[in-house]
Amino acid sequence: ETGVTQTPRHLVMGMTNKKSLKCEQHLGHNAMYWYKQSAKKPLELMFVYSLEERVENNSVPSRFSPECPNSSHLFLHLHTLQPEDSALYLCASSRGAGTSLTDTQYFGPGTRLTVL
Amino acid sequence: AQKITQTQPGMFVQEKEAVTLDCTYDTSDQSYGLFWYKQPSSGEMIFLIYQGSYDEQNATEGRYSLNFQKARKSANLVISASQLGDSAMYFCAMREAGYLGSGGSNYKLTFGKGTLLTVNP
Repeated sequence: ETGVTQTPRHLVMGMTNKKSLKCEQHLGHNAMYWYKQSAKKPLELMFVYSLEERVENNSVPSRFSPECPNSSHLFLHLHTLQPEDSALYLCASSRGAGTSLTDTQYFGPGTRLTVL
Repeated sequence: AQKITQTQPGMFVQEKEAVTLDCTYDTSDQSYGLFWYKQPSSGEMIFLIYQGSYDEQNATEGRYSLNFQKARKSANLVISASQLGDSAMYFCAMREAGYLGSGGSNYKLTFGKGTLLTVNP
């Protein structure tokens, strides 16, 4: 199933580069998320968008800049990253902008980012 | 204190046997939801099963079932008749309704550190 797609799947960048990660969901969902998954650490929520408005920013450094132009697309713009930012970046979407406990998040395959 | 604890960093099981992956959680809320996800080496997190705190019956979804013991705050995943394709990382996650009460949203899922399951032929 390819309900949530992410490009690129792999990215290597230098600390001075600017790059963007793209996420697209084909599920008709209203909420989209960016997560960071580092080795041996639990998944960390970075940003949440609901109906194209940012509703959560979990103290993420400004070198990460999200953009949600519509309910189907989510971007993560990267600039001046550090080697410790190397991780798997996962995008997810869910139906609700609401309050249901059962609102399930569906994930994309992730972008494996390496910062040199 | 960790909200979600998965005490088994790695588990091994023989093909066709059943395996239980442990998950304990910590919450003072009465309303919460528990999720299990599978993450193969390809990276995608695949939703497996959901259990609500007020659900009277244990959730089941094909070969997956959830052994929900509310008083012990445990939500163990049981995989029956293991297959080679079940080899992956498995994550337990929780959403608490109390997060709403504090003025925040209920979007946040808290994940455990995961268990790496290896199915041997």
